[in-house]
Amino acid sequence: SQKIEQNSEALNIQEGKTATLTCNYTNYSPAYLQWYRQDPGRGPVFLLLIRENEKEKRKERLKVTFDTTLKQSLFHITASQPADSATYLCALRLTGGSYIPTFGRGTSLIVHP
Amino acid sequence: NAGVTQTPKFRVLKTGQSMTLLCAQDMNHEYMYWYRQDPGMGLRLIHYSVGEGTTAKGEVPDGYNVSRLKKQNFLLGLESAAPSQTSVYFCASSLGLAIDEQYFGPGTRLTVT
Repeated sequence: SQKIEQNSEALNIQEGKTATLTCNYTNYSPAYLQWYRQDPGRGPVFLLLIRENEKEKRKERLKVTFDTTLKQSLFHITASQPADSATYLCALRLTGGSYIPTFGRGTSLIVHP
Repeated sequence: NAGVTQTPKFRVLKTGQSMTLLCAQDMNHEYMYWYRQDPGMGLRLIHYSVGEGTTAKGEVPDGYNVSRLKKQNFLLGLESAAPSQTSVYFCASSLGLAIDEQYFGPGTRLTVT
């Protein structure tokens, strides 16, 4: 069966450090992978999209990598701040025009001052 | 623009009661989605629509019905609520392509007793 795995344990880091979150998938051939941020009591908010032919994408302090051989995406936040504390979700979109996105369960990031 | 709005924000139902959740978007998006989010389960797609007058089943459609009579609205109905439907429900919309980011509403917290 198809599966998306994100670390269920919260990631605790100190302010100023780089946070790295992982999204692993099996039995997919995704065309695109998206990362969302979700704050408690709110809906997810889109952050970044990376295509299958892109190795890396950056946006301000955010960086996403996509390794289709390892079936893994890494999400990095550099110079992390307490305001970055949230749950981060990855979502896969498959090739072939599928409009059904599949979300991982998310990883909670806690940045300590 | 209000983006994606959901009505109501909170609701408590008794087992067997029915209700309709309303989602509205003012971005002229073609695609709309209904998800439920439960602790430890992540976002699961209930139903989606790729245009006015169309609907399709997602991952967990049983016990729910939907309608998309107008492009800007997507209704989720529970005909006979069950405690297993206690959850937070999110509506989302996207422009029209698989690559497009989803815009989420603020969520509806439903409790079925």
